[in-house]
Amino acid sequence: DVKVTQSSRYLVKRTGEKVFLECVQDMDHENMFWYRQDPGLGLRLIYFSYDVKMKEKGDIPEGYSVSREKKERFSLILESASTNQTSMYLCASSSPGPGALDTQYFGPGTRLTVL
Amino acid sequence: AQSVAQPEDQVNVAEGNPLTVKCTYSVSGNPYLFWYVQYPNRGLQFLLKYITGDNLVKGSYGFEAEFNKSQTSFHLKKPSALVSDSALYFCAVRIPNTNAGKSTFGDGTTLTVKP
Repeated sequence: DVKVTQSSRYLVKRTGEKVFLECVQDMDHENMFWYRQDPGLGLRLIYFSYDVKMKEKGDIPEGYSVSREKKERFSLILESASTNQTSMYLCASSSPGPGALDTQYFGPGTRLTVL
Repeated sequence: AQSVAQPEDQVNVAEGNPLTVKCTYSVSGNPYLFWYVQYPNRGLQFLLKYITGDNLVKGSYGFEAEFNKSQTSFHLKKPSALVSDSALYFCAVRIPNTNAGKSTFGDGTTLTVKP
C-alpha cells in the first residue's frame, strides 16, 4: 500500500515565523501535491511537482514556496506565517503509470494554527 | 479549463436507504473521474475511478458510480447506506497526459446517514 506521511499532525506557530511542512511518500511516485482544506472551500491546490527540482504553482501559491530535492520528499514552506494561513494542509502523491493513472494518495494532514 | 461541481453541500439519508452524491464536470477531452472520501479526523482516501469502458464503476465499501457522458455527470451511489458512510466526499476530474497529474476537485459533499 502507498504510504504518505506528514511530519506533524498538529502545529502551532506565531505570526511571522518561517514554517516547514514535510511530506514523504514511499511508492516512488513522480507527482506530489500540497493542498489546503478549509470549511466550505474544498481542496485548493497550492503547489505541485512532477519531478525532482520541478515545481508548478497551483491555484493559491501566494505566501508559500516548495522544495523537492529528492523524489520521495516534498516540502511546503510558509516564508512568514500569517493568521490567514491557519488551515489543514494535505499532501498527496500520484503516478501516471498503468493501473495508477494519477490516483492521488493523501497523507493524514497537518492542522496548522498561526497565532 | 476543467471544472467540477458538487451541487449539494449536504446530503442526509436514513440508514438502509439508497444514497446518491452528485457530481458534474466540464472538460474538453475524455476525462478520468475520481471519488475520494474523508472520514472524520482522517485524510482523504481513494474510493473509485472511471477511466474507460463500462459506465458503471464499482469501488470500495459497496460504493459505485455511473459515468454519463451526455450529462457530463459522475454520481456516486450506494444501494443501502450505513451510518459509517457518514463522511465528506470529493469528486475530482483529470485530463490524461496534461498538467503533470493535476486533478481538479469539487468543493465536497457532506453525507450524513442517520440510524
